Amino acid sequence: GAVVSQHPSRVICKSGTSVKIECRSLDFQATTMFWYRQFPKQSLMLMATSNEGSKATYEQGVEKDKFLINHASLTLSTLTVTSAHPEDSSFYICSARGGWGGFRNTIYFGEGSWLTVV
Amino acid sequence: KNEVEQSPQNLTAQEGEFITINCSYSVGISALHWLQQHPGGGIVSLFMLSSGKKKHGRLIATINIQEKHSSLHITASHPRDSAVYICAVMELDDKIIFGKGTRLHILP
Repeated sequence: GAVVSQHPSRVICKSGTSVKIECRSLDFQATTMFWYRQFPKQSLMLMATSNEGSKATYEQGVEKDKFLINHASLTLSTLTVTSAHPEDSSFYICSARGGWGGFRNTIYFGEGSWLTVV
Repeated sequence: KNEVEQSPQNLTAQEGEFITINCSYSVGISALHWLQQHPGGGIVSLFMLSSGKKKHGRLIATINIQEKHSSLHITASHPRDSAVYICAVMELDDKIIFGKGTRLHILP
């Protein structure tokens, strides 16, 4: 079964509204979570890296005020797309790195979330 | 040049055929992932490799660290195997680089 759960798998929102995507690690504590975005027919691209309890590190070109990332606990990170526009429509996916025991330094991927902004 | 190259980009085959998808990379890595993405669907993690070979059902993944190359094989392919297969490498600093994917279409 999945060890990283991402929710929702699909979401449609109106332009100008905000939408939150959750990424939860199941059965392990994730010291680091990563958020990626995939535009049609392109590779997945890293948006930001978040460590529990500290501010996320954003990749060049990713607006931190638009894509709010919160990693408040060792099992949950959220990505909030604020004031969404149709060009934000994309596939978003998270991955989590375990910190201890059998999950240490192993990366697990969420199932991904399809965002459509209308 | 991309740091992770997959081939072929597109592959169409008949049901039952043996499928091979290749991934070459140019950076030092600690692990390599094979992912499956169905059209309009989510990502499924198939394998994580750091050496050797892994098998799960009809899927086999191999990696040659010295040659910086990995292959994903599908035996007795089936139309439900139609998907995009993505190779992703984890660099030594934990950065993940994704290949562009191989679009596989299995005809009944």
